[in-house]
Amino acid sequence: GENVEQHPSTLSVQEGDSAVIKCTYSDSASNYFPWYKQELGKGPQLIIDIRSNVGEKKDQRIAVTLNKTAKHFSLHITETQPEDSAVYFCAAVGISGNTGKLIFGQGTTLQVKP
Amino acid sequence: KAGVTQTPRYLIKTRGQQVTLSCSPISGHRSVSWYQQTPGQGLQFLFEYFSETQRNKGNFPGRFSGRQFSNSRSEMNVSTLELGDSALYLCASSLGGGNTEAFFGQGTRLTVV
Repeated sequence: GENVEQHPSTLSVQEGDSAVIKCTYSDSASNYFPWYKQELGKGPQLIIDIRSNVGEKKDQRIAVTLNKTAKHFSLHITETQPEDSAVYFCAAVGISGNTGKLIFGQGTTLQVKP
Repeated sequence: KAGVTQTPRYLIKTRGQQVTLSCSPISGHRSVSWYQQTPGQGLQFLFEYFSETQRNKGNFPGRFSGRQFSNSRSEMNVSTLELGDSALYLCASSLGGGNTEAFFGQGTRLTVV
């Protein structure tokens, strides 16, 4: 069935270091891959996304890469700051076609130490 | 531009009762999806509504239902509540296409006692 695996489950880095979170999806028809950041007591916030016709996308300190052949996609955060500490979720559109069903990874708790 | 609004923010219900949660999407968005978030199962898709029609449904029992109104506002209902229904219920709105950005509300924290 549809599945998204996310690693690592927890990640601790020093302020200023880079952080990388990796996801693997099972549905080869998936073609949209958003990333969400969730802070305590809040709903998930869309931070960046990538579509299957693009291999990499960057927005300031955040970048996402996609390898469709391997069905892998990754989130890269450079120059991490304490306010980057949160739970990050990757997701994939579960089935091809015109629906909004997102299949989420299990989440990564990122801790940035000052 | 207002974001996605969910009401209420917190609810405490007793086993066996039913509950209705509300979601107002971003203006102009026609798709509303609902998700259940628990520590053990993570974020799981419940269902999606588009133009008042259920377009997709997750693997939840029939006690979970929803609807969407002509103004795109959506409600979800859980009947005969069980302790395991305690969770954060999130709704997300999007323009409607499958590959368009989805924006989440703050969620409704439901506790079943």
